[in-house]
Amino acid sequence: NAGVTQTPKFQVLKTGQSMTLQCAQDMNHNSMYWYRQDPGMGLRLIYYSASEGTTDKGEVPNGYNVSRLNKREFSLRLESAAPSQTSVYFCASRALTLNQPQHFGDGTRLSIL
Amino acid sequence: AQSVSQHNHHVILSEAASLELGCNYSYGGTVNLFWYVQYPGQHLQLLLKYFSGDPLVKGIKGFEAEFIKSKFSFNLRKPSVQWSDTAEYFCAVNARNNDMRFGAGTRLTVKP
Repeated sequence: NAGVTQTPKFQVLKTGQSMTLQCAQDMNHNSMYWYRQDPGMGLRLIYYSASEGTTDKGEVPNGYNVSRLNKREFSLRLESAAPSQTSVYFCASRALTLNQPQHFGDGTRLSIL
Repeated sequence: AQSVSQHNHHVILSEAASLELGCNYSYGGTVNLFWYVQYPGQHLQLLLKYFSGDPLVKGIKGFEAEFIKSKFSFNLRKPSVQWSDTAEYFCAVNARNNDMRFGAGTRLTVKP
C-alpha cells in the first residue's frame, strides 16, 4: 500500500521556469492538500481540494495553481518559479470526515536559483 | 480562518525529563485537533487527535494531550522523554471545513 506518492523527490529550477509537482493517493480519500514547509514557519497550506472537482485557496496560494485531475491525483503547478518558492512541498490526503487525520507524502525538495 | 500558535520554537531536554509543548488556536467553534511528529528527513506522522469526548487523549509512543476549551489550548505531554523522541512536533487545527492549518512547529532535542 503506497499511501501518498509525490514526484519528483528533488528538483532544481531556474527563475522563470515552470514546473508541475505530482501527487497521487491510493487510499480512496476525498480530500487532498498541498503545503510548503519552510524553516521556522511550519507547514503553510497552499491549496486544498475537499473533493473531486473542487479546489480552494489556503494561506499562501500566490504563484501556484492546482488541478484535481481525478479522485487519486492532485497536482501543483508553478508557472514562473521564483527564488521565494524554494521550499519542501508536501502533499497530503484524508478521508471526507473532518475528524480524520491527514496522510502525508515524502515531500518534494525544490530549489529555485 | 483559524490559526495555530506553538509557543516554543526549540526545546532541549535530557532523557527522562518531562515534556510539555504548548499549542493554542484561534477559532471559537467546534474544532478537531491533531499533533503530528516529523523525524529528521521524514514526513509527518500522526501522534494523536481529539474531536470529541474525553479531553485527555492518549496517542502513540506514550504521548498524551489535553484539550482545554476555555483556554483554546491543546498541549502535548510526555512524562519521560527518550533520545528517540528527538523530532519536530506540529499542532494542527481543522475547523468547520476541510481547511487544515498547522503551527510553526517545535523542535525537540533530547540529550542522552
